[in-house]
Parts: sequence; C-alpha cells; structure tokens
Amino acid sequence: QVQLQESGPGLVKPSQTLSLTCTVSGGSISSGSYYWSWIRQPAGKGLEWIGRIYTSGSTNYNPSLKSRVTISVDTSKNQFSLKLSSVTAADTAVYYCARVPFYGSGSYHYAFDIWGQGTMVTVSS
Amino acid sequence: QSALTQPPSASGSPGQSVTISCTGTSSDVGGYNYVSWYQQHPGKAPKLMIYEVSKRPSGVPDRFSGSKSGNTASLTVSGLQAEDEADYYCSSYAGSNNLDVFGTGTKVTVL
Repeated sequence: QVQLQESGPGLVKPSQTLSLTCTVSGGSISSGSYYWSWIRQPAGKGLEWIGRIYTSGSTNYNPSLKSRVTISVDTSKNQFSLKLSSVTAADTAVYYCARVPFYGSGSYHYAFDIWGQGTMVTVSS
Repeated sequence: QSALTQPPSASGSPGQSVTISCTGTSSDVGGYNYVSWYQQHPGKAPKLMIYEVSKRPSGVPDRFSGSKSGNTASLTVSGLQAEDEADYYCSSYAGSNNLDVFGTGTKVTVL
C-alpha cells in the first residue's frame, strides 16, 4: 500500500526558501501513470493547489505561485520535493503532498487519491 | 485560475440529506468529467470521496453521490450521520490550463 510522508523544517524565516520533501513508500514513484502534487492549507482556510510533477520531470504550477515555486523529483530516492522562495507570513500553512493517477484501468483518474499526513510550516523570524 | 465556488456551510439533521454545490467554468468543471470531492475532519488530511464526477472509491459509503450539470458539480450526502460532519472540498482538473483547482470548501454540520 503506497504511503506518502512529508518532511522538512517546521520554521522558516521571512525572505528565505521553504524546502519540503515527500517520500513515497510501498511502491515505486516511477511505476504506473501518476503525477505528484503539492497542496497547502493555511490555518482555518481552504486547500490551495501549488503544483505537480510527472516522473518525466515535466511540471505545472499554480499561476499565483509560479514565480516562486520549484517542484523536482528524485526517482532514485523515491521522493519529490517542493521549494518556495521569498516566503512571507502568508506562506504559513500545512503542506500536503498527494498522488494523482491520470491513466490506467481502475484508477481514480485526476483525483488526489493518496495524501500525506501534512506538515506544518510557519514563516516567522 | 480562480478557486471553484462552494457555499461556506450546509447542515441537516441525522437521516436527512444535504447537497453541496461546486461552481466553476467551462475551463474546469464544465469542460472535463474530472471533478472529485474530499472530506476533511479537523486536523486530518483530506480523504477522496468521489472521483470522475460520480464514482465512489472502494470503501466510501453509497450515501455519498456526485453529479454535474454544466459548470456546476454537486455532492449529496444522504442519510446524514454524525461522522459526516466535516469540511468538504471539490476539485477539478483544468486541462485547458493544465492545472488543478480546489473549491472554497463547505462546512457540513449535522444538527
């Protein structure tokens, strides 16, 4: 059974770069037809899609964050990562990683079918 | 890409039904049959409840159903139970812009 786990610093200073990693266990990040996404949720607010990466390395980002976001994948470590630069207090949120199947019989196409538990990141000096 | 529009709250008594709407545009909800719904309890990660507009993943009770008309999708919870009290979010693939987008979220209260 595939599981996702976010990791990274819980506290980041303003203007610095937030870096998180999502480790995929129970299966290969390269197997099957999936893309891998980052989503965030400020306290008491809704979900915001940040972006996605295919194992080919192709990426798509939320236009509102595009200038500050980089998502990368390391298939040898079965991980994908998020970098968000020039952070401010508005970037304080719980950050989730999630899997999205986009092809294949019986798959939950274009739905976030597996989520990590989330990791809280606070931007503060 | 704007968030999909959901009502902030909905409520019903145990055993009743509640329906939540999710309004987008022809670039997302109206253009693709890739609307999904998520249930989120406080402090927990979202859980997939409906995918491809109306399909239920294994293990999701058949009290949960989804539909779509034009640019608006809907989630109906029938036979409300106490454990259905949660936040619900819709999401849609927005293929024309190659994005994903979430709804604003609806808090469902079981009276």
